[in-house]
Amino acid sequence: GQNIDQPTEMTATEGAIVQINCTYQTSGFNGLFWYQQHAGEAPTFLSYNVLDGLEEKGRFSSFLSRSKGYSYLLLKELQMKDSASYLCAVMDSNYQLIWGAGTKLIIKP
Amino acid sequence: DAGVTQSPTHLIKTRGQQVTLRCSPKSGHDTVSWYQQALGQGPQFIFQYYEEEERQRGNFPDRFSGHQFPNYSSELNVNALLLGDSALYLCASSPSGLEYNEQFFGPGTRLTVL
Repeated sequence: GQNIDQPTEMTATEGAIVQINCTYQTSGFNGLFWYQQHAGEAPTFLSYNVLDGLEEKGRFSSFLSRSKGYSYLLLKELQMKDSASYLCAVMDSNYQLIWGAGTKLIIKP
Repeated sequence: DAGVTQSPTHLIKTRGQQVTLRCSPKSGHDTVSWYQQALGQGPQFIFQYYEEEERQRGNFPDRFSGHQFPNYSSELNVNALLLGDSALYLCASSPSGLEYNEQFFGPGTRLTVL
């Protein structure tokens, strides 16, 4: 079966750094996505990785290791507005997105 | 430029009824995907439409059906509603092509089945 694992909930302090991990087992691999979803809203795209390594985009960075089936999302200089769920999704061999359950990130002042 | 729009925003139905949800894709996008997101869970892929045909389908029963119109808008129909169909239904659009394309999500339709 196909499986995406990420922590259910994490807590961090405003101004700090947090790393959200994602491990996956899928039928094939055509890229890994990170989405942000605020409560009651639609997911919004954050990043896409298809090759190993780190992709940096402002305060957010995403890392991929295909051999380990592992990715992380790194959020720097945390702001209160970063409180949201972060969803990891893998595009499988059929180009279908397989989603994790999401990590609820709580930012404390 | 309007993004992805969905209607209605909220819907309440009773078991056994039928429901139709609607989606208009982002301008320039011709591919529409539908997802079901239960509370506290990630989205589950229902199906994808391209050129008015269902191109891919996830693990959902035949009670879930869809349609895409020549203007690329799409409908999701669910028959014989069950309590377990209560969820947020998300529509996402992207340009054509099976390979990577960022999907843009609509605000969703919250369906409650009583």
